[in-house]
Amino acid sequence: DVKVTQSSRYLVKRTGEKVFLECVQDMDHENMFWYRQDPGLGLRLIYFSYDVKMKEKGDIPEGYSVSREKKERFSLILESASTNQTSMYLCASSFGTGFYNSPLHFGNGTRLTVT
Amino acid sequence: AQTVTQSQPEMSVQEAETVTLSCTYDTSESDYYLFWYKQPPSRQMILVIRQEAYKQQNATENRFSVNFQKAAKSFSLKISDSQLGDAAMYFCAFADRGSTLGRLYFGRGTQLTVWP
Repeated sequence: DVKVTQSSRYLVKRTGEKVFLECVQDMDHENMFWYRQDPGLGLRLIYFSYDVKMKEKGDIPEGYSVSREKKERFSLILESASTNQTSMYLCASSFGTGFYNSPLHFGNGTRLTVT
Repeated sequence: AQTVTQSQPEMSVQEAETVTLSCTYDTSESDYYLFWYKQPPSRQMILVIRQEAYKQQNATENRFSVNFQKAAKSFSLKISDSQLGDAAMYFCAFADRGSTLGRLYFGRGTQLTVWP
């Protein structure tokens, strides 16, 4: 079974702090994604990566950056956390470029509160 | 850009009854995938069912089936014999087969309550 692990289930940070959200997958997947989930807005893509050291902006990249130094790990970085970044963050991974046999596998989410 | 619309923020159903969740999407692509994901209170997103746009036949997975109307750009999920464990947030999602690497576009979700 594919396992996508997010390092924290709950996180509370102060405004202006630098925040790291970590995600690790154990199935050698090429693609990794960070989504943000807010009530009434569904899931919105922040950033994704299709290879080590590669990254692409999603729909709402402002205020975020990412790092992928190793294939299994994809980090989301809030350079200076703000209260409007209080949200649920979901990491996901998938295999290769052929989509049919590789649906997204999600982690359990990190609920971030910025005070 | 692709858009996915779920017009029912909340739905409820009695145990053992049938419920249908609606989803429409907008795209100019002809080859794509559609998905329904379930998110229970545990927050773990679970793939319920998927449909390839080029397939005429509607996908089914046990008690879950879809009604895919390509011309109408409609993709509804039917849950038969509803169970308490079906209570969750359900998300409809779209992926363009020719686009980047499994990126999904999600609707805003439908919260399903199942009454005993």
